[in-house]
Parts: sequence; structure tokens; C-alpha cells
Amino acid sequence: KQEVTQIPAALSVPEGENLVLNCSFTDSAIYNLQWFRQDPGKGLTSLLLIQSSQREQTSGRLNASLDKSSGRSTLYIAASQPGDSATYLCAVTDNDMRFGAGTRLTVKP
Amino acid sequence: DAGVIQSPRHEVTEMGQEVTLRCKPISGHNSLFWYRQTMMRGLELLIYFNNNVPIDDSGMPEDRFSAKMPNASFSTLKIQPSEPRDSAVYFCASSLGARGHQYGYTFGSGTRLTVV
Repeated sequence: KQEVTQIPAALSVPEGENLVLNCSFTDSAIYNLQWFRQDPGKGLTSLLLIQSSQREQTSGRLNASLDKSSGRSTLYIAASQPGDSATYLCAVTDNDMRFGAGTRLTVKP
Repeated sequence: DAGVIQSPRHEVTEMGQEVTLRCKPISGHNSLFWYRQTMMRGLELLIYFNNNVPIDDSGMPEDRFSAKMPNASFSTLKIQPSEPRDSAVYFCASSLGARGHQYGYTFGSGTRLTVV
């Protein structure tokens, strides 16, 4: 059964820093990997979707990479802002979409 | 597009009562998923519909839970009778194609259920 792990569980950084969130998964036979953002008490907002044949996707200050063979993905956030504070969830799709537990990010002004 | 629409946003009910959660997927999406999110267990898939047909309900916790999709634009998740341990946020998601293999998932804003 696919297991998805996110490290660290929580991260606090000063505004302006570049940061990396990590996601690992146990079964490399996936269709895609999706990064979501969840604000407290809110739903999930899709940030980036990487197909299994792709290596990375970029949107604004966000860049997500995928290394299927090693079962890893990273979400890079450049020049972090207080508005980036949220929980970031990684999800892989094989037969189902399986979620990691998330990384709670706090960006301090 | 208005996205995936869920109602109600919040529901507080007494133990033993019936609860019905509603979802309207994105128009044209043919896969629909119900998830439950708790602090202890994170996001768990409850049931998956494709073309209005339940394909995988292995995540439905027990017989008190049932889900229907009478047409392509509406689904319900019912809990009868409800128990305090059912308190969670319930999310509906939809995708184009089978299981979001190609286009990923779009989530609704969720229904926060509290059973007292």
C-alpha cells in the first residue's frame, strides 16, 4: 500500500527566505503527484500537478520537482511571504490519491 | 466555473441523528470522491464514483455511512445514525477521467461536521 511521508511536519522561517518542502512515497508506480495548500479551516487548493513523465512544474514563486525512481518530490518556494503561511500537502495518485500528513509552514514578517 | 460546491459548510447535530452532506462536482468531470479529514488520521478516501457508479467504497468506515450519485451533477454522503467519532471535515473532490490519473483533483471547501 502506498505510503506518503512529508518532512518536516512544521517549518518556521523569516520572510524572504527560500525554502524546500519534502515529500517521499513508497511505490513509484504513480500517475501523477499533486501539491496542495490548505489554510486553517479551509479546503484544499491545488498548487502544482506533475505527471509521472515530467520532472518539474513551475508556477510563479513555486517549483515542484519529481524523481519517481527515488520516490521523492520537493516543493521549492522562493522569496517566502507571510501570505505563504499554510499547510502544504503532497498527494500521489496510483489507483487512489494518497496524501501525506502535510507540512505546516509559518513565514514570519 | 464555480468549482466543486459542498453544502452545508458547517453542520452540528446530536448523536443518533441522520446527517446528509451534499456535493456538486465541476461540470464535465466524471469522477467524484468523498474524503474525510481528521487530526489523527489526515485525509482518508471514503468512496469513489466514476460516471455516477460507485467503483470503490472500501474506505467507507461502516454501514452507517452511505453515498449516492443519482446524476452527474450531484452526490450525497449520508450518516445514519451519527456518532461523536464521526466529527471531522468531509471533502468532496472531482476530476476529469478515471481517478484523476491525468488531470488531478479539484476539492470543494468541505463540510465541518460536529456530532455532540
